Formats: sequence, C-alpha cells, structure tokens
Amino acid sequence: SQQGEEDPQALSIQEGENATMNCSYKTSINNLQWYRQNSGRGLVHLILIRSNEREKHSGRLRVTLDTSKKSSSLLITASRAADTASYFCATDAGYSTLTFGKGTMLLVSP
Amino acid sequence: GAVVSQHPSWVICKSGTSVKIECRSLDFQATTMFWYRQFPKQSLMLMATSNEGSKATYEQGVEKDKFLINHASLTLSTLTVTSAHPEDSSFYICSASSGGLDYGYTFGSGTRLTVV
Repeated sequence: SQQGEEDPQALSIQEGENATMNCSYKTSINNLQWYRQNSGRGLVHLILIRSNEREKHSGRLRVTLDTSKKSSSLLITASRAADTASYFCATDAGYSTLTFGKGTMLLVSP
Repeated sequence: GAVVSQHPSWVICKSGTSVKIECRSLDFQATTMFWYRQFPKQSLMLMATSNEGSKATYEQGVEKDKFLINHASLTLSTLTVTSAHPEDSSFYICSASSGGLDYGYTFGSGTRLTVV
C-alpha cells in the first residue's frame, strides 16, 4: 500500500528559483529516500536519509526528516530546466521493500 | 556506480500472448530484485519481490500465475506476463540493491508494455 504522500502534486517554477517538495508517511521507518523520474524512464536515486538523521545535503539538494511529524522535505536550490521531472519519496521500514509516495511533478521553465 | 539493465524498453503484443521482461544487475550481485508497475502519472506499485533460487513473494492482489517471476541467477530476474490483456498495459520497472545503506536502490529503465 502507498503510505507516502507528496505535496504539491505539481509544481511549476522558473529557472533559478528554489523548489520544495514535501512527503508525509504513516508508519515507522528505517530510512526515507528520494528518487527522480524523467518521463517514461526508470528512477534515479537522489538521496537517502536515515531515521536518526534530521538533515542531509547533496549538491543542490537538501533533505530534511522530522520523524515526530512523519514528514520529509526535498529542496532543490537554483533550479534548472534539466531538473524537470517527477520526484518521489519512498520509505523503507526495514523489510527491504520500498513504499512510494504519489510523486510531485516539477516543471522548471527557462 | 551500480547499473541495472532492463529490456526490452518497450514492447507491443497481441492479446493472449506472453511477454518476458529481463532485469540484469551488471556490476553487482543481487540476491533480491523488485518488480514494480506504474500507471500513467501515478506512483510505483510493488508487485513482487524476486529472490534468487527461491519463489517470489507477491504483493496482495497480484496474480502469481499471471506474472511469473524467475530469479535463476544472482544477476538476472525475469518477469513474464502471461496471456496478456489490454488491462496489463503499463510501465514495468525492476530494481535491486547493490548493498550499502546510503546507496538506495538501483532501478532499471523500465519497460512500456502495450497489449493490443
């Protein structure tokens, strides 16, 4: 069953702006992961944050995790047109299977 | 980095025929692979977990006799859609873990199946 819920469902911004996507989940997790999917393609792993971590950075990506609120956010700074894609959060409850959220479609206009 | 190769990328088949999709881990061994299904503009739904040398574990509601999974080696898992029908048309994606908690899972590029 899908337990992750991302918002917004769709986000349209201009190049250079920051994009923030949020994800909420319902059960306890081992870690939370963010993936990117270009249209009609497979998923690319972006970043993983463990349940005992609160924030993690990777290049222009910043992920936060609030286990008390069961939520996470993905911030993409200084967005580029090439960042246009769908972004999914996925939770790993420790059973080696991922549960995906519904995704956020990000459109970055030049 | 870890690479999972999935093919075909797309396939069109007639109703009633079977289609096999392959998923290979190219530079690592994967004792476990995962098969997902994705409808347009929707999320990924886990169909089954493929275990090398043993039977696959199917999620609730997924027909194991329709979606046959074989994981005969540490680098290859196959999904066969048997007696395909138009409602089986979808995007199928496999994934595997190359190990290492911080690396997440590696996904294949997906297979677009259209049943006509």
